[in-house]
Amino acid sequence: AQKVTQAQTEISVVEKEDVTLDCVYETRDTTYYLFWYKQPPSGELVFLIRRNSFDEQNEISGRYSWNFQKSTSSFNFTITASQVVDSAVYFCALRSRFGNEKLTFGTGTRLTIIP
Amino acid sequence: DAGVIQSPRHEVTEMGQEVTLRCKPISGHDYLFWYRQTMMRGLELLIYFNNNVPIDDSGMPEDRFSAKMPNASFSTLKIQPSEPRDSAVYFCASSLIPAGGNEQFFGPGTRLTVL
Repeated sequence: AQKVTQAQTEISVVEKEDVTLDCVYETRDTTYYLFWYKQPPSGELVFLIRRNSFDEQNEISGRYSWNFQKSTSSFNFTITASQVVDSAVYFCALRSRFGNEKLTFGTGTRLTIIP
Repeated sequence: DAGVIQSPRHEVTEMGQEVTLRCKPISGHDYLFWYRQTMMRGLELLIYFNNNVPIDDSGMPEDRFSAKMPNASFSTLKIQPSEPRDSAVYFCASSLIPAGGNEQFFGPGTRLTVL
């Protein structure tokens, strides 16, 4: 069985602060994919990043960075110098490589950036 | 390029009425997914299709729910009869073959309110 845990239900930070959203996953598969999605107040789900289980390189995209650590089954997401537009619910998701096209979502973390 | 298109964006109906939600996936995507999002249960996968064929409908709550995909560019999710507990946001998503780790792209969602 697969499981994604986002222990932080809500986080509030003051604008320009850095913030890290935690994601811990469980899977028996050796090959899998991890994703982050953003759901802004408007409601749509926006794809942010995909990471393959065999690629443990961290990734940086502008103010966003992702830290993937297989040893701790974590795929954490950091926003540097947060902005009000970053306010949203962020979902971490997991999908196995074989035999299952389903995405397993975490429960999401609601991030509020205080101006 | 157009993303996933859903209609209507909002639907308000009375208990017992039939509701039909519509989705147009991204052209060329072989997989189509229907999700439901509620505060209590988060994001739930209801059903998904591969090349217009339903593959897994184990997430469909009960017989009142049905989904079809008559062609590669159109899918419907029908609820008959609707009940207040069906109130939720329903998302449609599409992707290329997931085995390659391809991400799902979500539509804007349909917010359904059953009175």
